[in-house]
Amino acid sequence: EIVLTQSPDFQSVTPKEKVTITCRASQSIGSSLHWYQQKPDQSPKLLIKYASQSISGVPSRFSGSGSGTDFTLTINSLEAEDAATYYCHQSSSLPLLTFGGGTKVEIK
Amino acid sequence: QLQLQESGPGLVKPSETLSLTCTVSGGSISSSSYYWGWIRQPPGKGLEWIGSIYYSGSTYYNPSLKSRVTISVDTSKNQFSLKLSSVTAADTAVYYCLTLHPKYYFDYWGQGTLVTVSS
Repeated sequence: EIVLTQSPDFQSVTPKEKVTITCRASQSIGSSLHWYQQKPDQSPKLLIKYASQSISGVPSRFSGSGSGTDFTLTINSLEAEDAATYYCHQSSSLPLLTFGGGTKVEIK
Repeated sequence: QLQLQESGPGLVKPSETLSLTCTVSGGSISSSSYYWGWIRQPPGKGLEWIGSIYYSGSTYYNPSLKSRVTISVDTSKNQFSLKLSSVTAADTAVYYCLTLHPKYYFDYWGQGTLVTVSS
């Protein structure tokens, strides 16, 4: 099983700050890494696919990078509406698709 | 735009079978564009993939749940279903139905339904 480890678990950030969330895979997964945003009491929403590919309708302040075992989700100039928990997900090891433990971003 | 809606009992007794249905609108479940599947989230915890099915019937299941899970498709009703047998309190969670894109990311999600396992 490929284990995804996210850090930090929690981050308290002021608006307009830059946020960086990392996701480390227990073995190389190429670029088969996707990011989701889950706001309180809502379903998760796809933010980034294949490590760095943007999704239509997602604000451009969200970007992803990385390959192999180390990946990063960056939120440039955080807005209040970005308060959420962020999850990474790997699709390299079918049939077992796994998620990271999540990173909660709070607005100060 | 696809829309998915879960339905089913919100309370299941221990040792019984949890049964949920997902109704798909805005597209055909027989489309070759997607796999259909389920993910769950225990209260206050992270996401766990349960399994996915293609309209043809081929399935992928999480190995940790495979012995208890059945996912099926009803093309006549544009629905797919989840059955999880021998449930315990550890199966209490919000259950989401969703699409798995052929490139293996999750793109359309239902709103989720809370299922509590308790006597």
